[in-house]
Amino acid sequence: GDSVTQMEGPVTLSEEAFLTINCTYTATGYPSLFWYVQYPGEGLQLLLKATKADDKGSNKGFEATYRKETTSFHLEKGSVQVSDSAVYFCALYSGGSNYKLTFGKGTLLTVNP
Amino acid sequence: ETGVTQTPRHLVMGMTNKKSLKCEQHLGHNAMYWYKQSAKKPLELMFVYSLEERVENNSVPSRFSPECPNSSHLFLHLHTLQPEDSALYLCASSQGDRASTDTQYFGPGTRLTVL
Repeated sequence: GDSVTQMEGPVTLSEEAFLTINCTYTATGYPSLFWYVQYPGEGLQLLLKATKADDKGSNKGFEATYRKETTSFHLEKGSVQVSDSAVYFCALYSGGSNYKLTFGKGTLLTVNP
Repeated sequence: ETGVTQTPRHLVMGMTNKKSLKCEQHLGHNAMYWYKQSAKKPLELMFVYSLEERVENNSVPSRFSPECPNSSHLFLHLHTLQPEDSALYLCASSQGDRASTDTQYFGPGTRLTVL
């Protein structure tokens, strides 16, 4: 079945540091890939997505490129801020059930001033 | 109110209690979802409603009973829960029911503790 593997957290960085959160997946066919973010006390929000190989999703300074050859969708940001502290979830949709997103376990990011 | 709201935000209940979680979406969406978020585990999809009809039930124990009286409201009725049911329960909605194209908008969740 489908699965998503994210790097274990927590990740702690200083402000303006470079961020990478690794995500790899196993899926049939050509899935759509997503990153969601959950700020403290809030629900998940879609951060970015990519629907085909070599697509790059981007939003709020975050980027992720759909790499079919390595089945990866790593999240990057060049300079993190304290306000980026949150839990980040990688997810995929591979078809079959219309509704089912498969999520990773989430990675907690803490950015210190 | 805008977006997706959930009440209560926190709930503590005994194993013999009956309680309900409420979700309301103010986005005019047609699909609504219940997810369970447990520590160190991926989000688990529990139920999906599309146009008020249940279209997905992911092998959820019968002690969880969903209800969708209209496209704006979704309930999760709880009875005789177990301590392992303690988790954050998230509601979401989307315009359509296709995960590939219809972004899901999440509420803040209800933190449930079963004693």
